[in-house]
Amino acid sequence: GESVGLHLPTLSVQEGDNSIINCAYSNSASDYFIWYKQESGKGPQFIIDIRSNMDKRQGQRVTVLLNKTVKHLSLQIAATQPGDSAVYFCAENTHAGTALIFGKGTTLSVSS
Amino acid sequence: DTGVSQNPRHKITKRGQNVTFRCDPISEHNRLYWYRQTLGQGPEFLTYFQNEAQLEKSRLLSDRFSAERPKGSFSTLEIQRTEQGDSAMYLCASSPGQNQETQYFGPGTRLLVL
Repeated sequence: GESVGLHLPTLSVQEGDNSIINCAYSNSASDYFIWYKQESGKGPQFIIDIRSNMDKRQGQRVTVLLNKTVKHLSLQIAATQPGDSAVYFCAENTHAGTALIFGKGTTLSVSS
Repeated sequence: DTGVSQNPRHKITKRGQNVTFRCDPISEHNRLYWYRQTLGQGPEFLTYFQNEAQLEKSRLLSDRFSAERPKGSFSTLEIQRTEQGDSAMYLCASSPGQNQETQYFGPGTRLLVL
């Protein structure tokens, strides 16, 4: 089916550790990907995006890696902080598409 | 705050009642999207507007749902004859106006149908 899925529903890390959140997608036509962070009771917040002509993109403390060969996307968060605790979603979009297709999300818990 | 805003933030209604939600997009964003999110799931696309034109509807958008964006600015989503299965978070997002753009989300309206 055409959907985006995440490998792990939950991830628990210690403050200061690096976190890696994974996402597998199945639609080979998808060529634009976004990571969102959603805190309890709030809407999804944009973190970083990447297009299929790139395999890596860096932001502030975050890096997104795209492996088109195996249809895999990951979000790396450096020096994870308690404020990073949230649900993280990857979303995909095709060139002709307007709707974002979301996976189920990974809940990141950061303990201090 | 110049982000996407939604009102109300919470709505409790009885089954069979009609409800209407409002979304104000980021200023000058031509595209406006509605999504629905149930507990533990990612958002699911419902419909989107390019300016005032509603260009795409998901099969999730039953006949009881109607969305409008009369002046190409704010949008309303109405649910008629609400059912318990309509209980969800209704999210609005906006983007400047092209495919493959970042969509910026509002805080959502949480609907509970009793």
